[in-house]
This record gives sequence, C-alpha cells and structure tokens, in this order.
Amino acid sequence: SQQGEEDPQALSIQEGENATMNCSYKTSINNLQWYRQNSGRGLVHLILIRSNEREKHSGRLRVTLDTSKKSSSLLITASRAADTASYFCATVATYTGANSKLTFGKGITLSVRP
Amino acid sequence: KAGVTQTPRYLIKTRGQQVTLSCSPISGHRSVSWYQQTPGQGLQFLFEYFSETQRNKGNFPGRFSGRQFSNSRSEMNVSTLELGDSALYLCASSFGDHTEAFFGQGTRLTVV
Repeated sequence: SQQGEEDPQALSIQEGENATMNCSYKTSINNLQWYRQNSGRGLVHLILIRSNEREKHSGRLRVTLDTSKKSSSLLITASRAADTASYFCATVATYTGANSKLTFGKGITLSVRP
Repeated sequence: KAGVTQTPRYLIKTRGQQVTLSCSPISGHRSVSWYQQTPGQGLQFLFEYFSETQRNKGNFPGRFSGRQFSNSRSEMNVSTLELGDSALYLCASSFGDHTEAFFGQGTRLTVV
C-alpha cells in the first residue's frame, strides 16, 4: 500500500519556471527520497533527506522535510523540457527491519513546455 | 561502474505459465529489492534480499518468490501467472540500510 500522497497529481509549466511538488506520508521515517521516472523506465534517484534534516540542495533541486507535518516538498528551479517525467517520493520507515524497503507515493506527472 | 542490470527487458507469457526475472546489482551492493509497478496500484514492494537472506517481504501471494546468490545477483519467480501480474518489475540495489537505491530499467511482463 502507498505510504502517502503527492500533490498535485499532474503539473504543467513553461520552460524556465519553477516546479514545486509536495508529498505527505503517514508513519515515522528514517529518510525520504525523491525519484524520477521517464516513460515507464527505471527510476533515477534524485535526492535523499534524513529525518533530522530540514532542507537539502542538489543542483537545481531543493528538498524540504517537515517531520511534524509528515510532509516534504521538491522544488525544481529553472525547469527544462528534459525535466518532463514522473516524480515519486518514497520513504524508509524507522521500525526495526525496515532496512532498505521503500514505500512510494502515487507520483506526480510533470510536463515542461518548451 | 556498471548500473543495475535487469534481464530480460520484455516478456510475453501465457496465463498459467511461470517466469523468472534476473537482476545484477551494482558491484559491492549487497541489498537487492524488487518492486512491481502497475497503473492501478503504483509501485509496490515485493521483497528484499541481503547476503542471500530475505529480510523483508511485501503483501504478495506465495506465487511470487525470489532468491539471491552469493555474488548478490537476484532472481524473482512468478508461478501460475495471472493476467493481473502484467506489470513493470523493477529491481533496485543499495549499498546498505537507509541509503539511496539504484534501479534497473525494469522488465516489462505481459501476461496474455
């Protein structure tokens, strides 16, 4: 079963604009990760943020985590047509034995218009 | 460093048959996980192997099984295929617990 929800479910923006995607989850987490998927292919890891971190940057990506609200956001700045893809947030829970198990949200479809 | 390799990329099987999918993780990664992706259910965790031991199992029937070899390569098997097993099956490897996962390109299974 899905851990949480992303919103919006679909987002269409113009090249050069910023894209903000949100994710909510339900249980206590060790970390939260964002992945990108192009056209039903494999997932590409974008960024990992741990439960004791509040913000993280990687290139044009900025991720925030609010554990009190059980939510995260992914900001892609200065978007490009190549950013068109589906984006998923995934969590690793804190319970013993969670190990590497990822629980995914339903995903957000981002379309960047040239 | 080579990425995660999944074979085959595409498969068409008939209901009732069985299928074996293969995954070679990134060198040095001992954790291998499998996920099923369908339009209706999204990405769902199947199981995880670490050092040849299954550490975690998702909520799937016993027709879904897997194993891991001493070189960390993993296989998953689905017996008595059903139409609903049609999906993209993704394998991911990790260096350790609570680290990022690296995914293969997936095996697209179609059951007819």
